[in-house]
Amino acid sequence: DAGITQSPRYKITETGRQVTLMCHQTWSHSYMFWYRQDLGHGLRLIYYSAAADITDKGEVPDGYVVSRSKTENFPLTLESATRSQTSVYFCASSDAIHGYTFGSGTRLTVV
Amino acid sequence: GNSVTQMEGPVTLSEEAFLTINCTYTATGYPSLFWYVQYPGEGLQLLLKATKADDKGSNKGFEATYRKETTSFHLEKGSVQVSDSAVYFCALSDQRGSTLGRLYFGRGTQLTVWP
Repeated sequence: DAGITQSPRYKITETGRQVTLMCHQTWSHSYMFWYRQDLGHGLRLIYYSAAADITDKGEVPDGYVVSRSKTENFPLTLESATRSQTSVYFCASSDAIHGYTFGSGTRLTVV
Repeated sequence: GNSVTQMEGPVTLSEEAFLTINCTYTATGYPSLFWYVQYPGEGLQLLLKATKADDKGSNKGFEATYRKETTSFHLEKGSVQVSDSAVYFCALSDQRGSTLGRLYFGRGTQLTVWP
């Protein structure tokens, strides 16, 4: 029962660099999500996906790109990292039986 | 649109005290409601849920009742423990009776319980 795996757990990158956060689920949940968590804002939805090859913007999509070529993977790419993207990023998946399951998070620092 | 408002923290209590964390929501349609808990350094875990009006969700001594007339889903526990110290998030799903759809979160309430 591995659940959702996020990698890396911690990442420090420089402004302007491209960085990809990985998310992998061991089930076949249809929905997957990326949230960012910031003090005073709670969790805000960046992108989500209802199935492979289907993605939609959430509340704060600017500066991020996602893809979902396989049901189990949902990587999040910051094309040119900015300091405002320093945050904790959570991936989640859901289905009608299990509901939502969250990964352990990736703490990203952009310097 | 959909939104969740929960009481600002932090909340500090002594062990065995009564806990209430207020949560109200705005939604189109008939959302499902949730409370999630986040322990330090971890992701969010589902604490309890309610999928229709008047449902009561309960788990680990925590309870919350889906009140459509007051658009509320307040979290309560009769006697808190030090191990309950965490951040609590109220959330709603925009899909009726479902746990599938996207979640809208409140800002979270930090609870600290002292022995």
